[in-house]
Amino acid sequence: DAGVTQSPTHLIKTRGQQVTLRCSPKSGHDTVSWYQQALGQGPQFIFQYYEEEERQRGNFPDRFSGHQFPNYSSELNVNALLLGDSALYLCASSLAATQYFGPGTRLLVL
Amino acid sequence: AQSVTQLDSQVPVFEEAPVELRCNYSSSVSVYLFWYVQYPNQGLQLLLKYLSGSTLVESINGFEAEFNKSQTSFHLRKPSVHISDTAEYFCAVSEETSGSRLTFGEGTQLTVNP
Repeated sequence: DAGVTQSPTHLIKTRGQQVTLRCSPKSGHDTVSWYQQALGQGPQFIFQYYEEEERQRGNFPDRFSGHQFPNYSSELNVNALLLGDSALYLCASSLAATQYFGPGTRLLVL
Repeated sequence: AQSVTQLDSQVPVFEEAPVELRCNYSSSVSVYLFWYVQYPNQGLQLLLKYLSGSTLVESINGFEAEFNKSQTSFHLRKPSVHISDTAEYFCAVSEETSGSRLTFGEGTQLTVNP
């Protein structure tokens, strides 16, 4: 049984550009959550998708947006990248209370 | 809203010694509690969780944690650590609602020395 997968593993962008990160949940999971982990810090909740709608949102600007597809996979989009957006972006999937994380996408903004 | 405090940012120990990583939380509602482990350049792996029932929960690799509601704590313990336990450990809390967001502490770096 494949776990949560994310792509790409690494990404380098320049300020002002846009980026799309992708996540495939564990088989049978219908909820996808996204987190941002800056270097040396704990993950911060960005938003959560369920039934193709944003169900919860953390304290992130509108530059961060997402989407969930009918097969439950999800995308995270970040527009107008800032240097401070450099981080590890983690996707987690769940069916109930427990969230299982993917390996993450490391984004570097130059 | 919830918050999590991990009281030690770094914990160095010798191999085969016991260890305790401390976690306290704050919440106005009932919560679920989790410990995740992160190895260098990897994602988070679920170590153990408390959802309901026995307040003492165990992992398959010898870690245990006890939910103490009166002290709002969920400390992680292992009686004898191995070099391979070296990693960053995160305590997390969510509202007692299916699918609620996780709030994480800042992490504790456990370093096991030979």
